[in-house]
Amino acid sequence: AQKITQTQPGMFVQEKEAVTLDCTYDTSDPSYGLFWYKQPSSGEMIFLIYQGSYDQQNATEGRYSLNFQKARKSANLVISASQLGDSAMYFCAMREGIGGYQKVTFGIGTKLQVIP
Amino acid sequence: GAVVSQHPSWVICKSGTSVKIECRSLDFQATTMFWYRQFPKQSLMLMATSNEGSKATYEQGVEKDKFLINHASLTLSTLTVTSAHPEDSSFYICSALPASGSDEQFFGPGTRLTVL
Repeated sequence: AQKITQTQPGMFVQEKEAVTLDCTYDTSDPSYGLFWYKQPSSGEMIFLIYQGSYDQQNATEGRYSLNFQKARKSANLVISASQLGDSAMYFCAMREGIGGYQKVTFGIGTKLQVIP
Repeated sequence: GAVVSQHPSWVICKSGTSVKIECRSLDFQATTMFWYRQFPKQSLMLMATSNEGSKATYEQGVEKDKFLINHASLTLSTLTVTSAHPEDSSFYICSALPASGSDEQFFGPGTRLTVL
């Protein structure tokens, strides 16, 4: 089974609207972390938000929030008030293991395009 | 803080030559560094995990004799692609795990390798 599944190859959103990028994951590790990264065309990976498996509340970072539904194994990213600069690839990732023994697996990504 | 640099940012080489890519943590010490490869329009795939002072751990399917990894200090890891071939053309991204115990990997800006 895929460890990280992103089912939306591409998404369009109107500027100033909110958009949800889907991510589901699969792990048997009780302790894990979920990340979202943004990759613009320049290639660098920009960290957006992190959710630990034991965190009780959904993570939020400015316009980014993570809708963490543990029972459903989903970790959707919500971007509010989209901006033109949000156009990029977005990767969901999961960390299993700790310290130097950790392994991060990435999804295939969702290409988000913000329309003026 | 938590800045990771890579050098060079892009390189073009002839088939059969070797190319060295450096990954440096600029403002923190990293006991563990990771090397990823990203083919066009694909996700990041972990190649190997590099712990300072010890041999790298390679993922299945990654040839350790072709992709030489050296992590000689707490701030520097190098990836050498030996006898490069056109199929090795890819975007190589490193990440570093702080020695402080944080579980967040900090990514470098990537190196685009083109083998002619």
